[in-house]
Formats: sequence, C-alpha cells, structure tokens
Amino acid sequence: QLQLQESGPGLVKPSETLSLTCTVSGVSISSSPYYWAWIRQPPGKGLEWIGTIYYRGTTYYNPSLKTRVTISIDTSKNHFSLRLSSVTAADTAVYFCATLGSGGFDPWGQGTLVTVSA
Amino acid sequence: SYELKQPPSVSVSPGQTARISCSGDELPKRYAYWYQQKPGQAPVLVIYQASERPSGISERFSGSSSGTTVTLTISRVQAEDEADYYCQSADSSGTWVFGGGTKLTV
Repeated sequence: QLQLQESGPGLVKPSETLSLTCTVSGVSISSSPYYWAWIRQPPGKGLEWIGTIYYRGTTYYNPSLKTRVTISIDTSKNHFSLRLSSVTAADTAVYFCATLGSGGFDPWGQGTLVTVSA
Repeated sequence: SYELKQPPSVSVSPGQTARISCSGDELPKRYAYWYQQKPGQAPVLVIYQASERPSGISERFSGSSSGTTVTLTISRVQAEDEADYYCQSADSSGTWVFGGGTKLTV
C-alpha cells in the first residue's frame, strides 16, 4: 500500500531555507506513471500547489513560487524533497506531500506544520 | 494566472442533496478532481476525472460537468459529510490549481 510521510523542522527563521523530505513506502519512487508533489495550506486557508517532480527529474513549479522552490528526488532513498528559500511568515503552513497520477493527488501524507518565526 | 472559483459555503439538512460548483475557463478542456478535507486531516480524493469515484468512496458522491462549470453532488447528506471540499484542475502549461474551497455545513 502506497504511503507517504513528511519530515523536517517545524520552525524556520525568516530569510532562511525551509527543507522537507517525503518518504515513500509501498512502491518504488521511480515507478511510472507516478509524479510526486508538494502542496501547502496556510492556517485557516485553502490548498496551494507548490510543485511536482517526475522520477526522471522533470519538475513543474507554481509560477508564484518558482524563483524560491526546488524539488528534488533521491531514488536510492525512495524519497523526494522540497526546499523553499527566503521564507517569510507568509510561508507558515501545513506542508503535504502527495502522489500525482492520472487519478489526481492520491494518496497524501498526513502533513507537517512549518512555522516561520524568529 | 488560472483560477477555479467555488462558493465559500453551502448548507444543507441531513438527507438532502448538496451541490458544490467550481468554475474555470479551462474546465471544458481539462479534467477536474474533488477532495474532501476534515479538520486536522489531509485531503481525500472523492472524485477524479470529473465523474469517476475512487474505490472506497461512497456512491453518494458524484461529479458532473457542463461547459466551464463542474459540480460535486452529495446525495442523502449525512453529518459525517460536513467538511471542506476543494476542486482541482490544471492549465495548459502544466500548472495545477485548487479552487478556494467550499465549507459544507450539515
């Protein structure tokens, strides 16, 4: 059964870089036809797609975040990662990783809250 | 940038039918997806490719489309259906977009 689990610091200082990892279990991350995605949700607000990566490394980013986002994949560790640079309080959110297939984003990880504060 | 528009809230009584709309210019050309999110939980896919239902999702959930609007219909609404619902689609550049979400109150 495919499962995803986010991990990383829950507190990041303003202007620093947020780094999160999503560990995939139940399937090889290099399996086609899956893409792998990051999505976030500020407290009390809606969902925002951050970006998506294919196991071969092709990436797609939200234009509003593109200059600050890097998503990478490590097939040897069966995980993929998110880096978001120059963070501000507006980047405080629950960050989800998810699988993207022909059937939409499914499944999702449980999410991890990242707070940007000094 | 591409936007999907949803009503902020919908309210129905138990046993009634709830309909949640989502509009976007690209919807006639792109599949739509629907997610249910309960407080403190990750979203769950309830409809994919506009009208298909994943295994394990109640048959009370259905999806339809007409022009630039897609609709999530929940029949015989139950208290457990109270949640936020998000539509999602893509634009021609490969950017994925979520609607602003609709809070369903039962």
